[in-house]
Amino acid sequence: QKEVEQDPGPLSVPEGAIVSLNCTYSNSAFQYFMWYRQYSRKGPELLMYTYSSGNKEDGRFTAQVDKSSKYISLFIRDSQPSDSATYLCALRGGGYNKLIFGAGTRLAVHP
Amino acid sequence: GAVVSQHPSRVICKSGTSVKIECRSLDFQATTMFWYRQFPKKSLMLMATSNEGSKATYEQGVEKDKFLINHASLTLSTLTVTSAHPEDSSFYICSARAPDRGTDTQYFGPGTRLTVL
Repeated sequence: QKEVEQDPGPLSVPEGAIVSLNCTYSNSAFQYFMWYRQYSRKGPELLMYTYSSGNKEDGRFTAQVDKSSKYISLFIRDSQPSDSATYLCALRGGGYNKLIFGAGTRLAVHP
Repeated sequence: GAVVSQHPSRVICKSGTSVKIECRSLDFQATTMFWYRQFPKKSLMLMATSNEGSKATYEQGVEKDKFLINHASLTLSTLTVTSAHPEDSSFYICSARAPDRGTDTQYFGPGTRLTVL
């Protein structure tokens, strides 16, 4: 079993839709949860960083963490074509100095 | 956010040559930097963790003599791909931890695309 599971997609939605991206994990020692956005042929860009259960909002983005279910989500409201990218969840904790990445979900928002 | 640069952004070389990639943290000091490799449409694969002033820690299966890492200062780490072969062609990305930025997470460089002919 992988430490972090993420559906690779691709996920295609119309402009303006609400997008839900998810990851599940198996190690309850993970304490820090991040979402990165990666455009094609570019490095990942940090979108959201959380370290507790609950919701964190930043503009059109909301990160949600449910530690009891070992489930994290990223919601994108009013999605735009410019949101088309690969979204990677990343977790850290349990003595790890490094990030453990999900496979990444490819999102396409069409006009 | 914190800024990390990489140089070069793209390099093409002949088989058997060595290639050096630089990773710099521009506006913060990075005691720890990471080197990743990414294949098309795949996630990031951690190659090694680089700590300033000490030897790098390589992930299982990564040849330390093939991928030489030097982290000589708090703002610079280098990855040298020695005697490169076509199978080394990939997208190499570095990242740096920024614990003094309040998030203690990693900020990534823009990546270097290596093509070995």
